[in-house]
Amino acid sequence: DIVMTQSPLSLPVPPGEPASISCRSSQSLLHSNGHNYLDWYLQKPGKSPQVLIYLGSTRAPGVPDRFSGSGSGTDFILKISRVEAEDIGIYFCMQALQTPRTFGQGTKLEI
Amino acid sequence: QVQLQQWGAGLLKPSETLSLTCAVSGGSLSGYYWSWIRQSPGKGLEWIGEINYSGTTNNNPSLKSRASISIDTSKNQLSLNLNSVTAADTAVYYCARARPSSSGTTLGFDYWGQGTLVTVSS
Repeated sequence: DIVMTQSPLSLPVPPGEPASISCRSSQSLLHSNGHNYLDWYLQKPGKSPQVLIYLGSTRAPGVPDRFSGSGSGTDFILKISRVEAEDIGIYFCMQALQTPRTFGQGTKLEI
Repeated sequence: QVQLQQWGAGLLKPSETLSLTCAVSGGSLSGYYWSWIRQSPGKGLEWIGEINYSGTTNNNPSLKSRASISIDTSKNQLSLNLNSVTAADTAVYYCARARPSSSGTTLGFDYWGQGTLVTVSS
């Protein structure tokens, strides 16, 4: 199985400041078609996870443009350009390259 | 608007079978992959398995063939059975939809059920 490792696990950020979360995979997520199969999810308190980013850098419909994903191969970053109060929750990365799908441990964003 | 509504027994005894159903409204099962995912404090998010409209399944080997996923296209529902449960299966269980990519992988879980807490205790 592909192991996903996130850092940091806790991230206190004042409103208006940028935030960055790292995700590393134990195997490359770069497919032969040139796409990286890495998703980012946010789980707000008491809610189901929601997709933010897929293919490493493609924002899902309705996701604010302050969220951006980058990286390739085994190293990926989720950036929030200016954190807002509604962004609190736990952020997960997930590899979608192969089954079983596997998730990172989660990063708790606090304001 | 697509909605996934889940239900099933919330309290089980060890060795019993967990059964959950996920009803899809506002959209079809066709053309998507449908997964079950669980979340426990100790193990985080764990992908249980998936099924497509044709009924082809993929399960997580970590569950040692205890999981069975099926679809009922006439009811627009998918189901999860997990047999021989133990306390380690205590978790919130989610159903989720993923769009398939041309390469046979998926493009994000874009709709999720509300989650069902299942507790296994004697």
